[in-house]
Amino acid sequence: KAGVTQTPRYLIKTRGQQVTLSCSPISGHRSVSWYQQTPGQGLQFLFEYFSETQRNKGNFPGRFSGRQFSNSRSEMNVSTLELGDSALYLCASRSGTGNTGELFFGEGSRLTVL
Amino acid sequence: DQQVKQNSPSLSVQEGRISILNCDYTNSMFDYFLWYKKYPAEGPTFLISISSIKDKNEDGRFTVFLNKSAKHLSLHIVPSQPGDSAVYFCAASDYGGATNKLIFGTGTLLAVQP
Repeated sequence: KAGVTQTPRYLIKTRGQQVTLSCSPISGHRSVSWYQQTPGQGLQFLFEYFSETQRNKGNFPGRFSGRQFSNSRSEMNVSTLELGDSALYLCASRSGTGNTGELFFGEGSRLTVL
Repeated sequence: DQQVKQNSPSLSVQEGRISILNCDYTNSMFDYFLWYKKYPAEGPTFLISISSIKDKNEDGRFTVFLNKSAKHLSLHIVPSQPGDSAVYFCAASDYGGATNKLIFGTGTLLAVQP
């Protein structure tokens, strides 16, 4: 079955703009998580959505937001972009039940803020 | 507060030798541990996992060891191959617990020299 799909793969924005990233999970997966990857910081957890509800949230400012639709597709939005928001944003899905924690990742959206 | 730590940013080994990647964690409530592998321009892919009720799990050339008293786990790759060159992330979860998410370390870049 198809994997996790993220769009766009690459994008360039300027400071102050906003951006929306999209993620389509594996069919049947109801949980979608978002992570930010920057050099030296590893993968930082942003939030997780399950059945259209935010189930968990990381330590990011309110400029970072997300949502999930009834078909489990998810979007994340970053408003008032800052240079430090330049990163690879990864979306991951899992079935949402059980606690094994195995996530299936997309290839990421590479955001550059100028 | 980095709950999952990979203190070696990089590791270089010769082809055919053993690669040992280390990971430490601070939260004793973590009950499931995973290793992910990431190539450039790709999302992380699941490699191997271990439950907190075990101290070893093996899958082909990959073995993960867990020392709960030391809050330490390691990934052994034997024999190492050039195709193993990638960034390896350690992750810990307590889905269903207080943290209820998957927390990643900062990654170790493994270079296997032919």
